Amino acid sequence: ETGVTQSPTHLIKTRGQQVTLRCSSQSGHNTVSWYQQALGQGPQFIFQYYREEENGRGNFPPRFSGLQFPNYSSELNVNALELDDSALYLCASSLVEVDTQYFGPGTRLTVL
Amino acid sequence: AQSVTQLGSHVSVSEGALVLLRCNYSSSVPPYLFWYVQYPNQGLQLLLKYTTGATLVKGINGFEAEFKKSETSFHLTKPSAHMSDAAEYFCAVTPYGGATNKLIFGTGTLLAVQP
Repeated sequence: ETGVTQSPTHLIKTRGQQVTLRCSSQSGHNTVSWYQQALGQGPQFIFQYYREEENGRGNFPPRFSGLQFPNYSSELNVNALELDDSALYLCASSLVEVDTQYFGPGTRLTVL
Repeated sequence: AQSVTQLGSHVSVSEGALVLLRCNYSSSVPPYLFWYVQYPNQGLQLLLKYTTGATLVKGINGFEAEFKKSETSFHLTKPSAHMSDAAEYFCAVTPYGGATNKLIFGTGTLLAVQP
């Protein structure tokens, strides 16, 4: 059974740029959630996708957007990057939208 | 609204000593509760979870936690610490019966294990 994978591992961008982060769900899981973990903080929920539809969103501006594909992989897109967007971005998958979540290793984004 | 408070951002124990990491939650509906562990430069690994039923939950690596509704607590314990337990631990809550399993995390407790 393949776990949750994320790419890239690390990324450096400059303020104002756009970034796309990718996530492959654990085999058989149809729900993906994204979290932002700033340094020294607990993860904060960004949004969840279930069967290719957004199914809940945290307190993040619209420049944070996502997609889920038919194979249940997912993308997180962030436009107009700000310095405060520097964080570890975690993807988690679950069997259904209310089941236990399993996390990937994360993507470390640095915005200069 | 739901929230999680983890008392003690840093906890240090000696190898072989009891580990006790504290978590208190606030929830207007019955909660599902979780403990995750994060090793340096890695994602989160599920240690254990409470959904319904038995209030003492056993997890991986010898950890366990007890759900105490009257105290709104879900403290994590391990009888004997091992050097490999050094990591950051996060308590999280999600509403039972909610439309999503959105996790609300505490700020984490960094566990150091001294030889």
